[in-house]
Order: sequence, then C-alpha cells, then structure tokens
Amino acid sequence: GESVGLHLPTLSVQEGDNSIINCAYSNSASDYFIWYKQESGKGPQFIIDIRSNMDKRQGQRVTVLLNKTVKHLSLQIAATQPGDSAVYFCAENIRGNNRLAFGKGNQVVVIP
Amino acid sequence: NAGVTQTPKFRILKIGQSMTLQCAQDMNHNYMYWYRQDPGMGLKLIYYSVGAGITDKGEVPNGYNVSRSTTEDFPLRLELAAPSQTSVYFCASRQLGHEQFFGPGTRLTVL
Repeated sequence: GESVGLHLPTLSVQEGDNSIINCAYSNSASDYFIWYKQESGKGPQFIIDIRSNMDKRQGQRVTVLLNKTVKHLSLQIAATQPGDSAVYFCAENIRGNNRLAFGKGNQVVVIP
Repeated sequence: NAGVTQTPKFRILKIGQSMTLQCAQDMNHNYMYWYRQDPGMGLKLIYYSVGAGITDKGEVPNGYNVSRSTTEDFPLRLELAAPSQTSVYFCASRQLGHEQFFGPGTRLTVL
C-alpha cells in the first residue's frame, strides 16, 4: 500500500540529458496506461498513453515503454528542458474497472 | 471546449462550515471523479460517477457527498469542514478506455 508522509522520489537531471521515469504496476488485467505531468500549482496533464497490445509508443520528445512480463512502464524524455520540471504520475486502467489507478508520482528536477 | 472547469480556485473555511466545490465538463464524458491531493502526495479518490444519477465511493469518501443530476456537472459537498480536509481538490472526467482530463483544482484551507 501507499506510504504516508514520505517525500516523492526525485530524479535530478542536467538540462539536455535524457530522463527515464519508471513505474511498476501490479495488475495483469491492466489494459491501458497513461503518463501525466503535474506542474506546481496545476492539475495533472496528459502526456502520452499506451495500450497493452503495444510495447512502445513515441510522442514529441517522449517515449513510453511497456514490459508486460515484469509489469513495468517507463517514460523517457529526450533532451530534458527546464519546462520538464514537474511531478510525473503513471496510471493504469484495469480491465472492467471504472477508474484509473494512479502511482505515487516521481519528481523530476532539471538542472540548468 | 473549455474542458473540465472548477470553482472556486481558492477557499478558506472555518471548522464546521459547509461548502460545495463545483465541477463541470463540456466533453459529454460519462465518467467523472473527485480527488484530493495533499502536499507532496499522490491523488486519492473521493467519489466517482459513471453517469447521471449514479455515484460511488472511492478510497476516502468520509466527510464528503456528491450528486450527479446531469452529465455535465458533478459537485462535491463538504458538510462539516474539518482541518483534515485542507487539501487541493481535483475534478476529472473521461470516456471509458481513454485518458482522463483534469480540472485546474480548488485549494481549500480549513482553519
């Protein structure tokens, strides 16, 4: 279960480097996955999604990888920019369920 | 489309007061959700609705009530505000199988 009172895991990355954010999920019935970005003081914003019949999906500067064997999802951000500093959440849609299950979040801090 | 809108943006309540947080969406989504997010933490589901007239409890429903009389609106009611309800509240909507859209949030402080 989720721990209460712990700070979010933080990834510090130099501007221009690539970032990789990881997410583990537990339900093999999950069929759809989403990455969200939340900037300070704002609501979560959709970045990219992937369905369970795919292993990889690319967007603009972002790539999501899905490994169903080990139930692992990752978000890669290419050439990280200061505007990428935010908290990133993964979410899974469990087949037959009416709601998304959100991960705890990862803080990304971009060092200029 | 305006997407998901929430009012008010900020509110300060005294202990024991009541208020309604408004949420509306113009995307004709059946599914709507209310979350709370405490500082440095993730999202906790309060209540959700799969369509007009249908609501269900999430992880942390105590102290809150909801109604869904129309597809567009999903208000969240706090009857007796407590300091533990100090948080940022996000409303969201989606169609099943697709991404979820979030509102800008309501920052609530209970003193």
